[in-house]
Parts: sequence; structure tokens; C-alpha cells
Amino acid sequence: AQSVTQLGSHVSVSEGALVLLRCNYSSSVPPYLFWYVQYPNQGLQLLLKYTSAATLVKGINGFEAEFKKSETSFHLTKPSAHMSDAAEYFCAVTRGGGSEKLVFGKGTKLTVNP
Amino acid sequence: NAGVTQTPKFRVLKTGQSMTLLCAQDMNHEYMYWYRQDPGMGLRLIHYSVGEGTTAKGEVPDGYNVSRLKKQNFLLGLESAAPSQTSVYFCASSLRPGQGFSNWGYTFGSGTRLTVV
Repeated sequence: AQSVTQLGSHVSVSEGALVLLRCNYSSSVPPYLFWYVQYPNQGLQLLLKYTSAATLVKGINGFEAEFKKSETSFHLTKPSAHMSDAAEYFCAVTRGGGSEKLVFGKGTKLTVNP
Repeated sequence: NAGVTQTPKFRVLKTGQSMTLLCAQDMNHEYMYWYRQDPGMGLRLIHYSVGEGTTAKGEVPDGYNVSRLKKQNFLLGLESAAPSQTSVYFCASSLRPGQGFSNWGYTFGSGTRLTVV
């Protein structure tokens, strides 16, 4: 079975600072991995996904994530935080090759301070 | 293009009442899902459907029923609401993985905030 662990339920950064949100996965088969963002009182929006092509994945709004099999990690980064990045971020995993279900982490709430 | 539409957006129920949440998608997606979101718990899958007329249990199915009579609609029912079902409910839809995983991903609705008192 697949699972993800997001380290840190709350992360606070200053505007302009590096954003690093951590996600580790557990999967008995090659995984497909996703990051979603949820702005207040809204649904979830796909940021980026890894589907066994390039290990460094670029997404929307300047975010990127790197798949590291040896570390079973898929951490989300952005070089310079903007106030508009304040949101909750969810890492999710599904079985590579095709599966109908995503398993989500518990989320990390990002606060950006001026 | 509306995507995934959930109705209602808000609802307050009394314990023991019943209600149905409606999810409609216009993207011709085969798969549809119902999740609940609770603080600190992330999203947990309640039920899902891989096609018209088929449904399956997810991680937290107890107290809920679903139906997928039409491909575009996925209904979530609470027969006898309990305070533990106070949550935000999200519907999502997706293509079948075999339809091209490079394009695969969930499209979410904007959620239904349900309070059971």
C-alpha cells in the first residue's frame, strides 16, 4: 500500500525566502507523486506531478519538486516566497502505471510573513 | 467549462437527518471520488466509482452511501447524520489511468462544508 508523510504541519517563512515543504513516501511499487495546493475556502489545485519521466519536476507558480528514490522523498521547493503562496499544500501518491486512487498526506500549512 | 460542481456549498443538519450531496462533472471523466477533509487529517477517501453503475468503498465509508446512475453525476448520501460527519466534503474526477497517465490527475470541486449539530 502507498502512503505519504508530510513533515511539519505548519511552515512559516519570510517573503523572499526559500520555501521547502517535505514529503516522504512509502510504496512497494514505483510511485507516481503529486503536490496539490489549497487556498482558503477553495478546492485543491494541481501544482505538479512526477510520473517516472524527469526526476526534477517544474510546476505552476514557480514551484518545483525532485523525486529522490534513494531517500523516498518528493520535497517541494520555491526559491523565493511570495505572499500569495500562503496556502495549505498536500502531497499525494498513487501506484505507478495506473491506479484509480490517490492517497494524500495530512497537509502542510504555509505562512508567508512580510 | 464548469469542471466539477458540488451542491450545496454549505449545509447545517441536525443529528439523525439525512441529506444528499451532488457532484457533477462535464469532462467525460470515468472515475469519480468523494473525500472528506478534517483538520490535521488531510483528505480521506470515502467512496469512489470507476464507471457508471459501479461504486467501491474507500478508507472511511461507514455512515455514507453513494450512487453513480449517470456518468456525469456522483451522489453522496448520509442516511442518519452524526456530529462526527461534520467536515468539508470534496468531490473529484479523473480519466482512467489507461487514457494517458501523463495527463492524469484529479479535478476537484470547490467543496461542501457540512455541519451536524
